[in-house]
Amino acid sequence: QKEVEQDPGPLSVPEGAIVSLNCTYSNSAFQYFMWYRQYSRKGPELLMYTYSSGNKEDGRFTAQVDKSSKYISLFIRDSQPSDSATYLCAMDTGGFKTIFGAGTRLFVKA
Amino acid sequence: EPEVTQTPSHQVTQMGQEVILRCVPISNHLYFYWYRQILGQKVEFLVSFYNNEISEKSEIFDDQFSVERPDGSNFTLKIRSTKLEDSAMYFCASSPFRGQYEQYFGPGTRLTVT
Repeated sequence: QKEVEQDPGPLSVPEGAIVSLNCTYSNSAFQYFMWYRQYSRKGPELLMYTYSSGNKEDGRFTAQVDKSSKYISLFIRDSQPSDSATYLCAMDTGGFKTIFGAGTRLFVKA
Repeated sequence: EPEVTQTPSHQVTQMGQEVILRCVPISNHLYFYWYRQILGQKVEFLVSFYNNEISEKSEIFDDQFSVERPDGSNFTLKIRSTKLEDSAMYFCASSPFRGQYEQYFGPGTRLTVT
């Protein structure tokens, strides 16, 4: 079983839709949960991070962590064509090693 | 806005040659990392570095790899004898304090080994 599982997509939605991106994990020692956005041939860009279970909101983005189910989500409201990118979940135990998911490719159609 | 920079953007080398990839982290950051991303695959952790020593490394980071902070601004990744399978994007990242959760990535160096 992989430490972090993420559906690679692609996921295609119309502009204005609510997007739900998800990851599951197997290592119960993970404490920090991050979401990155990566445009083609660019470095990952940190969107949000959370430490504990629950929700965290930042503008159109909401990150959700359910440690009991080992499941994290990123919701994007009012999606825009500029949101088209690959979204990477990432997590770590609080040490110095981050594990990334495979990334989900998102296309938002105008 | 401060950013992580990497040079070169693209490096082509022959199998068996040594390469050095360079990074300039954000100036007040304390923790530095290297990742690689083989085309079409996920971002993979290689090594983390703090206080002039390696904090953690992955199984990928074997004896052919080394890292160095030769001065107060640069952070380098050396691959001693490149193999075809080392072809990938290499990303440098830095963070301002302990904890992986606020890492800022550079634009990457595309390494092509022929």
